[in-house]
Amino acid sequence: EVQLLESGGGLIQPGGSLGLSCAASGFTFTAFPMSWVRQAPGKGLEWVSAISGSGGATYYADSVKGRFTVSRDNSKHTLYLEMNSLRAEDTAVYYCAKSTYNWNLIDSWGPGTLVTVSS
Amino acid sequence: NFMLTQPHSVSESPGKTVTISCTRSSGSIANNYVQWYQLRPGSSPTTVIYEDNQRPSGVPDRFSGSIDSSSNSASLTISGLRTEDEADYYCQSYDTNDRVFGGGTKLTVL
Repeated sequence: EVQLLESGGGLIQPGGSLGLSCAASGFTFTAFPMSWVRQAPGKGLEWVSAISGSGGATYYADSVKGRFTVSRDNSKHTLYLEMNSLRAEDTAVYYCAKSTYNWNLIDSWGPGTLVTVSS
Repeated sequence: NFMLTQPHSVSESPGKTVTISCTRSSGSIANNYVQWYQLRPGSSPTTVIYEDNQRPSGVPDRFSGSIDSSSNSASLTISGLRTEDEADYYCQSYDTNDRVFGGGTKLTVL
């Protein structure tokens, strides 16, 4: 059974930095692309970032490009999202998600972790 | 970039059938797969349809997906509605440069 568990969320001041982690189990981690998707309070879903199975290819939404960095440690079965220059509009629940072999699709989701950017 | 437009809300009675539409603003709906995700209050999303019309294991066959090239849209149909189907539903597709979600449709099962 696929299991994804995010950690690292919390309250951070505008302009600050925060790192999220996602521990994965139940599947061959290196074989599948992974993503981060967020939902701001009262808003819809937004695909934030994605990374290929090898880590050699990445995707970022325009809203986070240059501020967020996605990475993975395949030896630890862990996905990361480093978030810098945080803004109030980055406040959201951040979901770790596993893709199928097509990294444009998601087949499994984590429970999410809340990031609040506020002074 | 393109957009996916969904109705803001739909409602239907238990046991009935409801269809949620998702219209692509540019580019052919048939060129890139459409997915549908269910988001119940207080829960994380689950995938109910992938690759236009495929159901993940564990999703009941009451859920079905289709695309219509003539209207450049995708549809999610839920038959035999149950109260537990009440949720927000998001369509999603992509192109070379972007991954896009629709704005979401709130399904109320009265």
